[in-house]
Amino acid sequence: QVQLQESGPGLLRPSQTLSLTCTVSGASITSGGYYWTWIRQHSGKGLEWIGNTYYGGSSHYNPSLRGRVTISIDASKNQLSLTLSSVTAADTAVYYCGRVGIQFLDVWGQGTTVTVSS
Amino acid sequence: EIVLTQSPGTLSLSPGERATLSCRASQSVSSNFLAWYQQKPGQAPRLLIYDASNRASGIPDRFSGSGSGADFALTISRLEPVDFAVYFCQQYGTSPWTFGQGTKVEVK
Repeated sequence: QVQLQESGPGLLRPSQTLSLTCTVSGASITSGGYYWTWIRQHSGKGLEWIGNTYYGGSSHYNPSLRGRVTISIDASKNQLSLTLSSVTAADTAVYYCGRVGIQFLDVWGQGTTVTVSS
Repeated sequence: EIVLTQSPGTLSLSPGERATLSCRASQSVSSNFLAWYQQKPGQAPRLLIYDASNRASGIPDRFSGSGSGADFALTISRLEPVDFAVYFCQQYGTSPWTFGQGTKVEVK
C-alpha cells in the first residue's frame, strides 16, 4: 500500500523560503504513469492546487504562486519536494502531497501545518 | 481559471436520508474531469469519485457521481453516521486545477 508522509518546518518568518519533503513508501516514485502533486488548505477550508511533477518530466505550477514555487523529485530518496520562496502570512496552510494516477488523486499524505508569522 | 461553486453550503439531514450535493463550473469541464472528495476534521481529503462518475477503489456504492459539462452532482443514497463530513469537488480538465468551497453534511 502506497503511503505518503510530509515533513518540514512548522514555523517560518515572512520572506523566508519554505521547504517541504514528501516521503513515498510502498512504491517507487519513479514508477511510470503517476504524477505527484502538492495541494494546500487554508484554515481547514479552501483547497488550492500548487503544482505537479512526474519523474523524468517537467513540472506545472499554479500561476497564482507567481514563480515562487518549485516542485522536484529526488529519486535516490524516493521523495517529492516543494520549495516556496518569499513566504507571507497568506502561505499559512496545511500542505498535502498526493499521487495522481488512473484513479486521479487517490493517495494523499496526512498533511503538515505551516505557519508564517513574525 | 475555472471557478467551482458548490451548493448548498450546509446540508442538514438525518441518517438514512438521501443527500444530493451540487457542483457548478464557470465553464465546461474538459472531458468531465471532475472529482469528489470527503474530508473529516483533522484528516486529508479522501477521493470518492473521479471522471465525474467513477467510484474510486473501496468506495461504497451508496456514493454516486453524475453530470457533465458544467453541472455535476454527488449523491449519497442513504446517509450513514460515518458520512457526515465536508465534501469538495475538483476539476482537473483545465490548468490550474481548482476546487469548490465545500458542502458540509451535518446531522439534523
